[in-house]
Amino acid sequence: AQSVTQLDSHVSVSEGTPVLLRCNYSSSYSPSLFWYVQHPNKGLQLLLKYTSAATLVKGINGFEAEFKKSETSFHLTKPSAHMSDAAEYFCVYTGGGNKLTFGTGTQLKVEL
Amino acid sequence: NAGVTQTPKFQVLKTGQSMTLQCAQDMNHNSMYWYRQDPGMGLRLIYYSASEGTTDKGEVPNGYNVSRLNKREFSLRLESAAPSQTSVYFCASSVSSKDQYFGPGTRLLVL
Repeated sequence: AQSVTQLDSHVSVSEGTPVLLRCNYSSSYSPSLFWYVQHPNKGLQLLLKYTSAATLVKGINGFEAEFKKSETSFHLTKPSAHMSDAAEYFCVYTGGGNKLTFGTGTQLKVEL
Repeated sequence: NAGVTQTPKFQVLKTGQSMTLQCAQDMNHNSMYWYRQDPGMGLRLIYYSASEGTTDKGEVPNGYNVSRLNKREFSLRLESAAPSQTSVYFCASSVSSKDQYFGPGTRLLVL
């Protein structure tokens, strides 16, 4: 079965330090992968997506992710965390069709 | 441009009561979706509608029904609410599955 695994349920960083949120996928197809962000009591917003073009994908707010087929990973990074980045982040997979499969989420905390 | 709107924002029900969650989009998208979000479980697909006039079950359809009223609107109905349906419900729409736009959510508490 196709799925995504977010390796950390909580990540805490200091403001100004790098962010790394890890995601691995399991798929026998060529996947499309996404990162969504959800701020408290808000809906989900698309950060970036990979759809078999460039393996390094740049998104909004300085985030980027690299698709590594050999490692079946799609980790989300940002060079310097900001307080406004505190939110929950979801790695999402689709093998095609109309169905998205969501990871269980990573709560990012940014401390002063 | 409102995007995806959902009503109500909050609702408290007693076990056995019924209610309908409303969703509308103004982006002329063909596909619409209903998800529920529970702590530690991410979002799970309840039902989706690939186009006007069609609906299909998702991962967790039991206890729910949907209606694709027209291209803009996709409603989710709970006929007899149960405490296990306490959740946050999100509606989404897309041109294709690859870019889904989400509404702000409806928080439902079933007592």
